[in-house]
Amino acid sequence: DFVMTQSPLSLSVSPGQSASISCKSSQNLLHGDGRTYLYWYLQKPGQSPQLLIYEVSSRFSGVSDRFSGSGSGTDFTLKISRVEAEDVGVYYCMQGTRLPPPTFGQGTKLEIK
Amino acid sequence: EVQLLESGGGLVHPGGSLRLACVASGFTFDDYAMSWVRQAPGKGLEWVSAIGGRAGDTYYADPVKGRFTISRDNSKNTLYLQMNSLRAEDTAVYYCAKTYSGCCRFDYLGQGTLVTVSS
Repeated sequence: DFVMTQSPLSLSVSPGQSASISCKSSQNLLHGDGRTYLYWYLQKPGQSPQLLIYEVSSRFSGVSDRFSGSGSGTDFTLKISRVEAEDVGVYYCMQGTRLPPPTFGQGTKLEIK
Repeated sequence: EVQLLESGGGLVHPGGSLRLACVASGFTFDDYAMSWVRQAPGKGLEWVSAIGGRAGDTYYADPVKGRFTISRDNSKNTLYLQMNSLRAEDTAVYYCAKTYSGCCRFDYLGQGTLVTVSS
């Protein structure tokens, strides 16, 4: 099975500053169809997870352009520009390349200073 | 608007059974594979099981294989998870998840239903 490793596991950011979360996969996430199935989800306090980024860098419907994803192979990054109070929660990466099972990272908790 | 509404959670004794349901709306249900994802208290996300759209191929995570059964009724736009031989470690919020591609690439998750296994 794939192992997804996120870092840091927690971060505290001042409003207006940027934040970056790393996600590393134990195996290459490039699928045979040429796509890379790496996802980012945000779970706000008391809510269910919501999709932010799909296939490394595509923003899901309604997601702010302050969120951006990048990376390839085994190394991926989620960047949040101009952090706002509503961005608080736990961010998870997930691989959907070698299925099943889909594999989640441990989660990164974002707090506002 | 995609909506996924789970029900059926509750308190059950170890060794007991429970059946979860998820009613879907806002999309053509039988066009998409569906999954169950769970989250133990204070822990991360764990995929549990998936089922194909029309063909109904099923997949299970190792910890639940042989104890849980996923099914769907496309005429009722409803996904089910039959959970037998429940253990304390099955205690979690169970989310229904819609897949947009393949078996387990999720674009929407429901609000979840809490299952507590305790004596």
